[in-house]
Amino acid sequence: AQKITQTQPGMFVQEKEAVTLDCTYDTSDPSYGLFWYKQPSSGEMIFLIYQGSYDQQNATEGRYSLNFQKARKSANLVISASQLGDSAMYFCAMKGSNYKLTFGKGTLLTVNP
Amino acid sequence: DAEITQSPRHKITETGRQVTLACHQTWNHNNMFWYRQDLGHGLRLIHYSYGVQDTNKGEVSDGYSVSRSNTEDLPLTLESAASSQTSVYFCASSEGGDTYEQYFGPGTRLTVT
Repeated sequence: AQKITQTQPGMFVQEKEAVTLDCTYDTSDPSYGLFWYKQPSSGEMIFLIYQGSYDQQNATEGRYSLNFQKARKSANLVISASQLGDSAMYFCAMKGSNYKLTFGKGTLLTVNP
Repeated sequence: DAEITQSPRHKITETGRQVTLACHQTWNHNNMFWYRQDLGHGLRLIHYSYGVQDTNKGEVSDGYSVSRSNTEDLPLTLESAASSQTSVYFCASSEGGDTYEQYFGPGTRLTVT
């Protein structure tokens, strides 16, 4: 069984600062993918970034990077230079061999001006 | 442009009624998924399909059914709506493989009174 744990129900960050959202996972699949999605107050689910379990380098997409530590089973999202528009709920998710996504409970990020 | 749509966007129904939520995607994806989102639970998988005539139960499938008669559509039916099924429902689709993200529809807010 797959499990995703996000231990931070809420986080606050000042505009223009960096913030790290934590995610740990558990799986018995030898190959898996890790994803981060953003859900703004409008409700849609927006894909941010992906990391494959065999990728040697951490994934980056613009201001988003994924700090992947396989031995620790962690896949933290780093947002650099936070913007007010980054205020949203963030979900970590994992996809295993069955292509299903397992989601964490999310972290609500608030960016303060 | 390819997209995934859900209808209705909002629905109020009474306990005991049968309700069907529609999901239509033009990505030509084989994999389709239904999730429900509730506060404190993140997104939980209800049913999923890997292709036409294929359906599978997710972790919270009781009281729900799906059918897949073509590639584009995966309607979700609540056989006899219950107040515990008040939730936001998301449909998603993806290509095969653990490297591909799921594309989400805009969601349907269902209230069972």
